[in-house]
Amino acid sequence: QVQLVQSGAEVKKSGASVKVSCKASGYTFTGYYMHWVRQAPGQGLEWMGWINPNSGNTNYAQKFQGRVTMTSDTSITTAYVELSRLTSDDTAVYYCAREMNKMVDYWGQGTLVTVSS
Amino acid sequence: SYELTQPPSVSVSPGQTASITCSGNNLGDRYTSWYQQKPGQSPVLVIYQNYKRPSGIPERFSGSNSGNTATLTISGTQDMDEADYYCQPWDSSTEYVFGTGTKVTVL
Repeated sequence: QVQLVQSGAEVKKSGASVKVSCKASGYTFTGYYMHWVRQAPGQGLEWMGWINPNSGNTNYAQKFQGRVTMTSDTSITTAYVELSRLTSDDTAVYYCAREMNKMVDYWGQGTLVTVSS
Repeated sequence: SYELTQPPSVSVSPGQTASITCSGNNLGDRYTSWYQQKPGQSPVLVIYQNYKRPSGIPERFSGSNSGNTATLTISGTQDMDEADYYCQPWDSSTEYVFGTGTKVTVL
């Protein structure tokens, strides 16, 4: 069965960077785009971007351009999102989510990133 | 960027029908998905490509999309349907924005 298992919670200082991982299993990793979505406390879902694990191509939301990097390692079927120059506004739960045919059908369990000053 | 608007909240009595709208410019030209999210949980896909239901999603969930509005309808609403619901259109020429979210309360 398809599973997306994310890395554990992180606490970071303002100005630091954070890297969250998403280990995929149960399907052909290179056959599906991986999206990253975040959700600040009490707020809605915010799309950050996607990566094509097969080619390494990425598409980032304009809001995060220059500050986000999405990568993947096909040898261990894991996707990553790294966000730099963190501020308190980046405190959120970060989700990875698999795209299939214009829909996201599986989500990771989420990773809480807390940014403190 | 593309903007989507949903009502902040919808209240419904058990067994009645809840309708959640999602409005955006020419939204009907885009395949739209709907996600259900319960507190402390990851979102779950309930409708994709405007009206299709993934396996395991009850038939009481249905969707439509035309003009500037997509609609998620929950017929015979149950207590377990109390959750936040988000729309998301798919269009490779735009960012994959989400709607603002609607909290469905079953009274």
